[in-house]
Amino acid sequence: AQSVTQLGSHVSVSEGALVLLRCNYSSSVPPYLFWYVQYPNQGLQLLLKYTSAATLVKGINGFEAEFKKSETSFHLTKPSAHMSDAAEYFCAVSVNTGGFKTIFGAGTRLFVKA
Amino acid sequence: GAVVSQHPSWVICKSGTSVKIECRSLDFQATTMFWYRQFPKQSLMLMATSNEGSKATYEQGVEKDKFLINHASLTLSTLTVTSAHPEDSSFYICSASRQGLLHFGNGTRLTVT
Repeated sequence: AQSVTQLGSHVSVSEGALVLLRCNYSSSVPPYLFWYVQYPNQGLQLLLKYTSAATLVKGINGFEAEFKKSETSFHLTKPSAHMSDAAEYFCAVSVNTGGFKTIFGAGTRLFVKA
Repeated sequence: GAVVSQHPSWVICKSGTSVKIECRSLDFQATTMFWYRQFPKQSLMLMATSNEGSKATYEQGVEKDKFLINHASLTLSTLTVTSAHPEDSSFYICSASRQGLLHFGNGTRLTVT
């Protein structure tokens, strides 16, 4: 069985500062890992994905994440926060067990201060 | 890119009535769609997996007679909340699977009065 843990339900950064959202996973088989962003009253938008290729994954809006198998982590970073980055972020793990099943983390709300 | 359309985006209904939510894959065929429920400030809870042409697979604790799912075509899945009650008020989101990636609708805010 797989699971996802996002450390910190809320993260607050100043505009222009580094964004770091933490995600740890567990999976008995090689996982696919994802980060999604959700704006209020909207669905989820894919930021980036890891599917066993390069361990450093670049996504949209300047975000990137690094898959570290030894640490079972997939932390999301962005060098410089923008006000428009304020949203809810979800880490997710997906495995193919005769069909993909995706488990989402609890989410991290990112606040960006002017 | 793959587009999933969910309708309506919000609905208010009276207690005891039924509400149908549609999820359409606009530019691809989706043999599998997923329905989630999201409570305020919480993560997505998978309710059921909708398979085209067969019965949906419900997660533990989800009442299949309360949340009816129909996936009659490769581009449309519907979720009907039957005999809705105020505790069914929530944000419902669908997604469609394409080559292992999930594509999400924009969600439906259901308020039962």
